[in-house]
Amino acid sequence: GNSVTQMEGPVTLSEEAFLTINCTYTATGYPSLFWYVQYPGEGLQLLLKATKADDKGSNKGFEATYRKETTSFHLEKGSVQVSDSAVYFCALSGSSASKIIFGSGTRLSIRP
Amino acid sequence: GAVVSQHPSWVICKSGTSVKIECRSLDFQATTMFWYRQFPKQSLMLMATSNEGSKATYEQGVEKDKFLINHASLTLSTLTVTSAHPEDSSFYICSATRQGHSDNEQFFGPGTRLTVL
Repeated sequence: GNSVTQMEGPVTLSEEAFLTINCTYTATGYPSLFWYVQYPGEGLQLLLKATKADDKGSNKGFEATYRKETTSFHLEKGSVQVSDSAVYFCALSGSSASKIIFGSGTRLSIRP
Repeated sequence: GAVVSQHPSWVICKSGTSVKIECRSLDFQATTMFWYRQFPKQSLMLMATSNEGSKATYEQGVEKDKFLINHASLTLSTLTVTSAHPEDSSFYICSATRQGHSDNEQFFGPGTRLTVL
């Protein structure tokens, strides 16, 4: 079945550091891929998405590229801020368009 | 826009009692609502999908008689955990998709933490 694997946290970085959170997936067909973010005390929010191979999703300085050859969708940001501290979830939606399968989440903490 | 609320945000109950959790779309009408369960340091696991006015569709392994879902209107879905036991303690999260939007983007509530003593 479909599944998502993402790097375990917590990840702690200093402000302005480069961020990579790895995500790989297993799926049949051509899933859509997502990154969600959950800030403390809030619900999950869609951060970015990509719906086909080689698409790049981007938002708030974050980027992720849909790599079908490596079945990956790694999240990157060139210079993180304290306000980026949150839990990040990689996810996919397969042939059933509404059903989302989530990774286990990665907690990110940014030090001033 | 597209705000989803949950009530309560946390609840503690005794074993054997029933607990109701509400999920509301505050500024949109929800075609479909979803209920997820999250254990510590684990993924969100989809429990069921509900559409207004029809029976919920439960995922494999989820007991429909234990987790009762009612979706009585386009802005409200409820999850009732019946005869709760300590193993039901978890974080329950709902989400909703907007009526009239084909992108199926889900908007999530902040979650409800249930602790069964």
